[in-house]
Amino acid sequence: DARVTQTPRHKVTEMGQEVTMRCQPILGHNTVFWYRQTMMQGLELLAYFRNRAPLDDSGMPKDRFSAEMPDATLATLKIQPSEPRDSAVYFCASGLVLGRLSSYEQYFGPGTRLTVT
Amino acid sequence: GNSVTQMEGPVTLSEEAFLTINCTYTATGYPSLFWYVQYPGEGLQLLLKATKADDKGSNKGFEATYRKETTSFHLEKGSVQVSDSAVYFCALSEDTGRRALTFGSGTRLQVQP
Repeated sequence: DARVTQTPRHKVTEMGQEVTMRCQPILGHNTVFWYRQTMMQGLELLAYFRNRAPLDDSGMPKDRFSAEMPDATLATLKIQPSEPRDSAVYFCASGLVLGRLSSYEQYFGPGTRLTVT
Repeated sequence: GNSVTQMEGPVTLSEEAFLTINCTYTATGYPSLFWYVQYPGEGLQLLLKATKADDKGSNKGFEATYRKETTSFHLEKGSVQVSDSAVYFCALSEDTGRRALTFGSGTRLQVQP
């Protein structure tokens, strides 16, 4: 049963510290998304990769957030320095897109719950 | 830009009641439409989808029909169970290469025995 995995599941850190969240997409998927979920804003797209290349990161605060895909099996989302307003659940999702007629389905990981104090 | 509007929750129903959760959208082009479900402490799971007008998506007793004329994708189930208690998200994906999802705010469903 192929799944998206995310680590850590929970992270509590102090303001100013660096936070790194990791995601392992489903093997063979070529598209990775990072979303953030908060009570106030709901689900927001932060970044989007296709074949490891960043296609859209317009949803990320550029000064403190960065997203990378070092290889096809790992995506990372880093916050440096972290702030209390970054407290949220961060979801990674993956999918397979081969052309305009491809499936639009995205498969979500369990999320990383981040608390910045 | 794209947007999705869902009815406010929580929706509280008794077991075996009929469920409707309204969803309307604004989009350019011909988006695909989705319903995702989120159980407590878990990620989102795809519940059903429809990729073109008049398509009906269905899964686990849930149904939704893509209505282009009313820009709607309402979720329905004829008889809910306690195990259906969760948060339901309506979403759309534009028909361009970007394929990112735009979500509604979510509707919490509580089913009482």
